[in-house]
Amino acid sequence: GENVEQHPSTLSVQEGDSAVIKCTYSDSASNYFPWYKQELGKRPQLIIDIRSNVGEKKDQRIAVTLNKTAKHFSLHITETQPEDSAVYFCAASRRGGSQGNLIFGKGTKLSVKP
Amino acid sequence: DTEVTQTPKHLVMGMTNKKSLKCEQHMGHRAMYWYKQKAKKPPELMFVYSYEKLSINESVPSRFSPECPNSSLLNLHLHALQPEDSALYLCASSQGYMSTDTQYFGPGTRLTVL
Repeated sequence: GENVEQHPSTLSVQEGDSAVIKCTYSDSASNYFPWYKQELGKRPQLIIDIRSNVGEKKDQRIAVTLNKTAKHFSLHITETQPEDSAVYFCAASRRGGSQGNLIFGKGTKLSVKP
Repeated sequence: DTEVTQTPKHLVMGMTNKKSLKCEQHMGHRAMYWYKQKAKKPPELMFVYSYEKLSINESVPSRFSPECPNSSLLNLHLHALQPEDSALYLCASSQGYMSTDTQYFGPGTRLTVL
């Protein structure tokens, strides 16, 4: 089955710096890769997603890149702000896979210091 | 209405109690999910309902019993739970039932079993 590894598990940056979180997946048939942000005590919130027919997607300060050959995808946050502090989860799901079959990474706790 | 709502926000129950968690969405989504999330871990899929029919049960113990009364509502009935069942229970929904459909999460019910 699919396995998603996420690194680093914790990341601390200064306000204004960039942050990068990387995930690798094992199933070459995976074709959908969402990123969720979860603040303490709150729901996971979708911040960006990418499908396998696209190599990069950007939304303001957030971008996701996908390398299908290497089976990894990354979240890039530029000009970080204290409100970006949260746990970020990557996930992958497989074309033709069971519905709801999102496989999550273990999460990255991002701390942005003012 | 673009949100998934869940009640109650918090629940404390004894091991002999029977309680229910409720989830509601009015986005016309046809798939709904229950996840369990322990502290500092990613969400774990429990059940998937597609078009009001149970389509996935991830080997969840029978003390958890899902119910989908209609396309907007999803319940999780709890009976004879164990302290290790204490967790954040998240509901999610997606427009369709494909594995690549974006899932939107509710705020969760924080359950404590004494």
